[in-house]
This record gives sequence, C-alpha cells and structure tokens, in this order.
Amino acid sequence: GAVVSQHPSRVICKSGTSVKIECRSLDFQATTMFWYRQFPKQSLMLMATSNEGSKATYEQGVEKDKFLINHASLTLSTLTVTSAHPEDSSFYICSARYREDTQYFGPGTRLTVL
Amino acid sequence: GENVEQHPSTLSVQEGDSAVIKCTYSDSASNYFPWYKQELGKRPQLIIDIRSNVGEKKDQRIAVTLNKTAKHFSLHITETQPEDSAVYFCAASNRVRNQGGKLIFGQGTELSVKP
Repeated sequence: GAVVSQHPSRVICKSGTSVKIECRSLDFQATTMFWYRQFPKQSLMLMATSNEGSKATYEQGVEKDKFLINHASLTLSTLTVTSAHPEDSSFYICSARYREDTQYFGPGTRLTVL
Repeated sequence: GENVEQHPSTLSVQEGDSAVIKCTYSDSASNYFPWYKQELGKRPQLIIDIRSNVGEKKDQRIAVTLNKTAKHFSLHITETQPEDSAVYFCAASNRVRNQGGKLIFGQGTELSVKP
C-alpha cells in the first residue's frame, strides 16, 4: 500500500508555456500533499504544502503565481508551472502524507524548458 | 527557522563493513525522524523512521538511534552490500497540525559500497 504516482515522468517544453504535473495517491486518501524541487546532487527543497479543499501554503521565496497548486480531491494534487523559463528546469517530486507523519514520494517529473 | 544538518556528505565503505550517517536538528519540538534512500533519478524511498518517544529502532540491517537531549539521530547500516549504494537523506518534522507535518531534510549523504 501507500503508492504515489506522478505524471508525466518527463516533459520538455518551450519557454513561455505552462506545464501541469499531477500527483496521485493510488491506494489511500491524502488530505495533505507536498511539492518539492530537487537540483542535481542536492537535497529536496520544499516548495509548498497542498491541502485538500484549501489554499496551498508556500515556502518563503516560492512564487505562488508562478507555481500554481490545486488539491481538488483527496487523491489528486496538481502543480502548474506557468510561463516556464529555462531556470525552472528541474526535478519536481511530490509526496503524500499517509496516516500521521509518514510521507511517500512520487517518482518525480523531470522538466526541461528550452 | 528549522534546520537539519547531515554528515558526512560522502561515505565510502567496503562491502560487509558498517556505515553510520549522523544528523542534528534545531527544532526541539521535532518528533518524527524518517530516513530516505534515493537512487539516481528515482524517488526517495522510506527505509526507516523513528518517533520521539523511542530511542532506537531496528529493521534487519538498518537501525536508527535518537538522542532527544542532544537533538541528533543516526542511521546505522550493518553488513553493507553494493546495492546499499545510494544517497541517504534524514529529515525531521513537528507533528503539529497547522504545520501540515512538513519534513525538513538534511543535505544528503552519498554512500558508496565497494565490492
């Protein structure tokens, strides 16, 4: 149990376009999901906490208008990178909170902006 | 703000030896401490976790110890195997609802197990 999927796994887009990434908890309901960004050989940087039915909580320095988060159901959260630029290229990973504290991660999405 | 420091950043051991990775945390209210293993290009996988009401937890070749007074916790891997090679992350969180249980991650340790 506690499986988290993420789609797409890889996306290449042109500068200025928007990209939507989906995170799904497949066998459990997750009232809280998290979005991270990870640069090569670095740790996971929390971008925002996504709560079902309410607004996301963004970490300091993360532009909420740039990274739109929607958590419309107990099994789905989406991250939309708006007007993407090359500096947004990164590995984006979501996680879903299972029961009290435990977080299970999705497989990640590698975004390349040309 | 909350901070988690992890050492060492790289660790190389011979197959069969033990490996120890240490983390310290700043928020004394932290009460949940998971460890994740991440292979290149893949998702972090939870390998073991410990809560603040326990001092030690073991699962086969993996163990975690927690010293709340000193605010540090450690991962111990015994009888290491080449497939243990990966990046290991420690994390800490405060199970207060209004914080959502967000994890603060350490910088990661790249473990290399040589055959």
